[in-house]
Amino acid sequence: EDKVVQSPLSLVVHEGDTVTLNCSYEVTNFRSLLWYKQEKKAPTFLFMLTSSGIEKKSGRLSSILDKKELSSILNITATQTGDSAIYLCAVGGMNRDDKIIFGKGTRLHILP
Amino acid sequence: DVKVTQSSRYLVKRTGEKVFLECVQDMDHENMFWYRQDPGLGLRLIYFSYDVKMKEKGDIPEGYSVSREKKERFSLILESASTNQTSMYLCASSLQGFYGYTFGSGTRLTVV
Repeated sequence: EDKVVQSPLSLVVHEGDTVTLNCSYEVTNFRSLLWYKQEKKAPTFLFMLTSSGIEKKSGRLSSILDKKELSSILNITATQTGDSAIYLCAVGGMNRDDKIIFGKGTRLHILP
Repeated sequence: DVKVTQSSRYLVKRTGEKVFLECVQDMDHENMFWYRQDPGLGLRLIYFSYDVKMKEKGDIPEGYSVSREKKERFSLILESASTNQTSMYLCASSLQGFYGYTFGSGTRLTVV
């Protein structure tokens, strides 16, 4: 059965700290891995990683895909209280009919 | 930017009522999805649709039905609401599944 596992499930750090969120997956026909940030309402898209793009960076956020280890990490440096959110990892298949499978998310709380 | 609009942010319904949750997207996306999100369980797929008048069951379709009469609109129907259907409901659309979703703002449904 296809699955996506995120760790830790929750994390509390102080402002300015660096955090690393983990995502591992077991899916057939892997195509892409996606990271989303969810604050109080809808998840918003952060990154998509594929075989042709295994590292992405945007400001203080960066993500790497390890196809050998079937995993990805999301790094946030110099965290701010606005980074407090649920971070969702999802994996998509190769075929049009393949569903995107979500992990349960990591709830990150940044203390001022 | 693609926009996915859910008709209600908060909804309170009584047990046994028939409930309609509406979702409209404005970017001509073929694919639309309904998820529910519960603490500790993450996002779970209820139903999805890859075309007008086409629907497929997701992982937890029991107690729900859907309607897609027009490409831009995907409705989720709770035939007889029950308290265990109290949840956050998220609609999403995509051009193709593995390119990632755009989510609506969510509807927090409480069944009393």
